[in-house]
Amino acid sequence: QKEVEQDPGPLSVPEGAIVSLNCTYSNSAFQYFMWYRQYSRKGPELLMYTYSSGNKEDGRFTAQVDKSSKYISLFIRDSQPSDSATYLCAMSAGDYKLSFGAGTTVTVRA
Amino acid sequence: EAGVTQSPTHLIKTRGQQATLRCSPISGHTSVYWYQQALGLGLQFLLWYDEGEERNRGNFPPRFSGRQFPNYSSELNVNALELEDSALYLCASPEGIAKNIQYFGAGTRLSVL
Repeated sequence: QKEVEQDPGPLSVPEGAIVSLNCTYSNSAFQYFMWYRQYSRKGPELLMYTYSSGNKEDGRFTAQVDKSSKYISLFIRDSQPSDSATYLCAMSAGDYKLSFGAGTTVTVRA
Repeated sequence: EAGVTQSPTHLIKTRGQQATLRCSPISGHTSVYWYQQALGLGLQFLLWYDEGEERNRGNFPPRFSGRQFPNYSSELNVNALELEDSALYLCASPEGIAKNIQYFGAGTRLSVL
C-alpha cells in the first residue's frame, strides 16, 4: 500500500462546476499538507498548504484536512479552462521530505 | 526575489554516461531538495541538502549523488545512466522558516537513449 493514495482520474467537468479532489494517507506523523498544480512538462506550483487539521480558503480554492480520517480534500469553485492541469497532493512530517500522491488530471471544458 | 532556478532545461545522454544537473534555491535559503518524476512512478524524494551537508536520502542507488556549494546552490550527479533514469528532475526550496513548505523549479528533463 502506498503512503499517499490519490485517484489519478482523469476528471472532466464543465466550466463553472466545482472540482473536488482528495487524497488519503497512512502515515499519522504527517503534519503539513500541500496541494500543487502542475501543467504539462512544467514544475509543480504550490497552491495551498495546511498545518495539521482544519480548513483553509484562498479565493476559489478550499483545502480541508481531517487527520482523524487521514483524508484531505481540495475544492475548486467556479472552475475555469485555465484550471485544467494535474493536481498533486503532498504531505510531510518532521523529516521535511514530501510524499506525493499520483496526481489527478483535471480538464475543465469551456 | 528570484525563485528556484534549474539548469539545463533539457539533457540528452546515452546509457552509461554521467549527467550533472544544477539548482539554485530561493535567495537566502540554505535547503535544497531533489525529486524525480518518472512516468508511471510519480514524484519521489531523492536527496536533501542543507548548510552544505546531505541531510536525508530517498530510496535511490548510490549512483545518484550530489553536493551543495557554499552559496547553497546544488548539483545532482547521476552516474552510469540507465534508460529508466529518464525523468523530470525537480529541485525545491523552502521560502520561509517551515522547511516542509517547498517551492519547485521548472525542472530538468533528462532523456537517456
